Amino acid sequence: EVQLVESGGGLVQPGGSLRLSCAASGLTFSPYWMNWVRQAPGRGLEWVANIKEDGSEKYYVDSVKGRFTISRDNAKNSLYLQMNSLRAEDTAVYYCARGGTTVTTLGMGVWGQGTTVTVSS
Amino acid sequence: QSVLTQPPSASGTPGQRVTISCSGSSSNIGINYVYWYQQFPGTAPKLLIYRNDQRPSGVPDRFSGSKSGTSASLAISGLRSEDEADYHCAAWDDSLSGVVFGGGTKLTVL
Repeated sequence: EVQLVESGGGLVQPGGSLRLSCAASGLTFSPYWMNWVRQAPGRGLEWVANIKEDGSEKYYVDSVKGRFTISRDNAKNSLYLQMNSLRAEDTAVYYCARGGTTVTTLGMGVWGQGTTVTVSS
Repeated sequence: QSVLTQPPSASGTPGQRVTISCSGSSSNIGINYVYWYQQFPGTAPKLLIYRNDQRPSGVPDRFSGSKSGTSASLAISGLRSEDEADYHCAAWDDSLSGVVFGGGTKLTVL
C-alpha cells in the first residue's frame, strides 16, 4: 500500500521543540521534492517547507524561518521537521506530502494522515 | 490573508455545474501551474487537478480545471452530494520562493 505516515506530534509548551517524522512505504521517495503542509484548527492549508531530492535546496514559509528545519533520509525513505521555539500559532495538523520532480511542479498527489501539534502552556 | 484568493463558500443543487475561482498574481498563477485539492472534514487533502487542467487517475471527469492569466477555476459538473467538501488551490510563487495556497472554499450541495 502506498502511504506516508507522520509521527512525533503532541502537546508542547511555548518555546519548546518537537521533531516530526514522515515515513514512506510502497512509494518512491526519490526523485521527488517533499513537503510539510499544516492546517490550523478551522483554517485553510498553509505550506510550511519543502526539500529537494538530494537535500541541496530547502524553502520555508517566512513565519517559520530560523525556527524550523526540514531534512530527509532517502535511505530510510523518511522526511523530518525539526521545530524549535514553538509558538501558539504553530498549533496545527501537520501533513507531509510528496511533491513533484521540480520545485514548481507541486504534485502533492500523496499525503500522510497528519500529526497534531498543540503549543500551549 | 492568503496569497491566492478563493471565495470562502460556494453552493449548488444536485446536477448543477458550479465553479470555484482562484485569483493570484504574475509571480504565482501567472507563470506557474495551478493545483487543486479536495478535502473532507478530518481527512488529508486529495489531489484533484494538477498542472492547471490535468486529472489524476480515478478523479471523475466531472471535475475540470482551467487557467487564464493570473486566475484559475475549478468546475464541477453534475454536482453530487458527495462533492460536498473543501477545495483548495495552490501554486508555486517565484517572488516568495514558496508554495502558496488559497484560503479554501467550502462547497455545499443543497
